[in-house]
Amino acid sequence: AQSVTQLDSQVPVFEEAPVELRCNYSSSVSVYLFWYVQYPNQGLQLLLKYLSGSTLVKGINGFEAEFNKSQTSFHLRKPSVHISDTAEYFCAVSDRINFNKFYFGSGTKLNVKP
Amino acid sequence: DAGVTQSPTHLIKTRGQQVTLRCSPKSGHDTVSWYQQALGQGPQFIFQYYEEEERQRGNFPDRFSGHQFPNYSSELNVNALLLGDSALYLCASSLEIGENYNEQFFGPGTRLTVL
Repeated sequence: AQSVTQLDSQVPVFEEAPVELRCNYSSSVSVYLFWYVQYPNQGLQLLLKYLSGSTLVKGINGFEAEFNKSQTSFHLRKPSVHISDTAEYFCAVSDRINFNKFYFGSGTKLNVKP
Repeated sequence: DAGVTQSPTHLIKTRGQQVTLRCSPKSGHDTVSWYQQALGQGPQFIFQYYEEEERQRGNFPDRFSGHQFPNYSSELNVNALLLGDSALYLCASSLEIGENYNEQFFGPGTRLTVL
């Protein structure tokens, strides 16, 4: 089975500063990796995904993530955050056999301050 | 194009009761997965339905059951409710095959409170 660890439960950052949200996964097979964002009282919205190929993945709203197989990481980055980025971010992994069964991390709350 | 819809939005039940939650997948999607998201946690996989059958199941007791209809919509049933069943229940739809077969689209969820 797979597992995901999001090391930071909360990340405070000032507006226009860069941010990195960390995600590490554990799996014995090849994986697909995802980042989702959840705004208060809403469902999950896909930010980006890594399936194969280039390890640098670009998503919506200016976010990007880099897959590092040796470090089993998939950290999310944004060079300049906005107040509207305040939300909870979830990293998820699935494997290439049970590709629609997602394992989620516990989430990181990004709090962007003015 | 309507996305994934869920009903009801909120639900309050008492311990021991039974509840049914409903999900309509994104147009054209044939696979429905259900997740439980307890407060302050990430979603946990409950089970998945494809071709009207439960195909995969997470670590949830038999009190959790489901159904998928010919139009691909789905229901989640929980019997003998416990206080610990209070959570946001998320439905996700996807395609079994196709260009984006590995992408799940999530609904807004049903907030279940058990008193």
